[in-house]
Amino acid sequence: EADIYQTPRYLVIGTGKKITLECSQTMGHDKMYWYQQDPGMELHLIHYSYGVNSTEKGDLSSESTVSRIRTEHFPLTLESARPSHTSQYLCASRAGQGNTEAFFGQGTRLTVV
Amino acid sequence: EDQVTQSPEALRLQEGESSSLNCSYTVSGLRGLFWYRQDPGKGPEFLFTLYSAGEEKEKERLKATLTKKESFLHITAPKPEDSATYLCAVWSGGSNYKLTFGKGTLLTVNP
Repeated sequence: EADIYQTPRYLVIGTGKKITLECSQTMGHDKMYWYQQDPGMELHLIHYSYGVNSTEKGDLSSESTVSRIRTEHFPLTLESARPSHTSQYLCASRAGQGNTEAFFGQGTRLTVV
Repeated sequence: EDQVTQSPEALRLQEGESSSLNCSYTVSGLRGLFWYRQDPGKGPEFLFTLYSAGEEKEKERLKATLTKKESFLHITAPKPEDSATYLCAVWSGGSNYKLTFGKGTLLTVNP
């Protein structure tokens, strides 16, 4: 079982609030990712990181921001939540070397009302 | 741009009725093809990695195969607990930072 954890699992929050979704992994992986997934739809990459102090935007434009101050921690922040941000957010990590598989957390289901 | 197409979108089987799921891909230099299982409301769970044409991997009732253009996930004598969405993803030489996912196949196995 993969050691990657996301909190909270579910979040219902009002419009305009600032939120941070947490993601931590204990595998020492260099590469970490945030994907967004709507019901019945494919995963879309919104952010990724190669290592500490490295962050890049993914293919899907997102108003969220990320930081990577420690190897094991990759939080995602929305400064002002809107209903359009309602979605499932999935965090993943993989080892830096080779063409290895990515391991996913259980996800955070965000609902903005 | 890398593309992954999975078919069918949904498949309903009776318990014990074997079948196959398809994943067709277009990439610039395949470095790996990955199969995941995703249960409702949860993150994808890793199943297999395939790296080269002709490679096969097995796990319980599942067997994954790879050709130069597609991969199959064969399900032998499925059980209701095999019901899930099965996702295919590719890692290519044209994109060294991300997996490109298909939309998945929703498998339902009726008792």
